[in-house]
Amino acid sequence: AQSVTQLDSQVPVFEEAPVELRCNYSSSVSVYLFWYVQYPNQGLQLLLKYLSGSTLVESINGFEAEFNKSQTSFHLRKPSVHISDTAEYFCAVSEGGGSNYKLTFGKGTLLTVNP
Amino acid sequence: DTEVTQTPKHLVMGMTNKKSLKCEQHMGHRAMYWYKQKAKKPPELMFVYSYEKLSINESVPSRFSPECPNSSLLNLHLHALQPEDSALYLCASSQDSWGYGYTFGSGTRLTVV
Repeated sequence: AQSVTQLDSQVPVFEEAPVELRCNYSSSVSVYLFWYVQYPNQGLQLLLKYLSGSTLVESINGFEAEFNKSQTSFHLRKPSVHISDTAEYFCAVSEGGGSNYKLTFGKGTLLTVNP
Repeated sequence: DTEVTQTPKHLVMGMTNKKSLKCEQHMGHRAMYWYKQKAKKPPELMFVYSYEKLSINESVPSRFSPECPNSSLLNLHLHALQPEDSALYLCASSQDSWGYGYTFGSGTRLTVV
C-alpha cells in the first residue's frame, strides 16, 4: 500500500525568502508523484507532477520539485516566495498497475508568507 | 474547456432533506471522482467512476448515492445526512490513465443542520 508523509504541518516564511516543503512516500512499486495547491475556500489545483524522465520538474509560477528515488522523497521548493503563495500544499502519490486511479494525499502543509 | 464545474457552490440542508450535488466536465476524461474534505484535512476518496461504471466505493454510508448519467456528468445524491457530514465535497476527473493527476472542481461547501 502507498502512503505519503508531509513532515511539516505549517511553514511560516517571510516574503522573498526561499522555502522547502517536504514530502516522503512509501510504495512497493513505481509511482507517479504530484503536488497540489489549495487556496482558501477553493478546490485543489495541480502544481506539478513527476511521471518519468528528468527528476527535476518545474511549475509555471516558480516552484520546482525533485524526485529522489533512493530517499523516496519529492520535496517542493521555491527560491523566493510571494504573499500570494500562501495556501495549503498537498503532496500525492498514484501507484502504478492495473486500473487503479486512486491518489493518496499527504496531510498537507500550510505555507504562510508574511510581509 | 479545461474545467470541472460543480454546483451548487454552497448548500445548507436539514437532516431530513434530499439534495443532489452536480459535477460536469467536457475534457473527455473517462474517470470521475467524489472526494470529501473536512477542514484542515486532506481530501478523502469516496467514489470512483471509470467509463461510467462505479469502480471504487470507499465504504461510504448509503446516505450518499453516486450516479454517472453519462461520461460528462457525475451526481452525488444526499439523503438523511448527519451534521458530521458537513464538509467540502470535491469532484475530480482524469484521463483514463492513472499517471496524469486529477483536475478538481472548486467544490460544494455542504452544511447539514
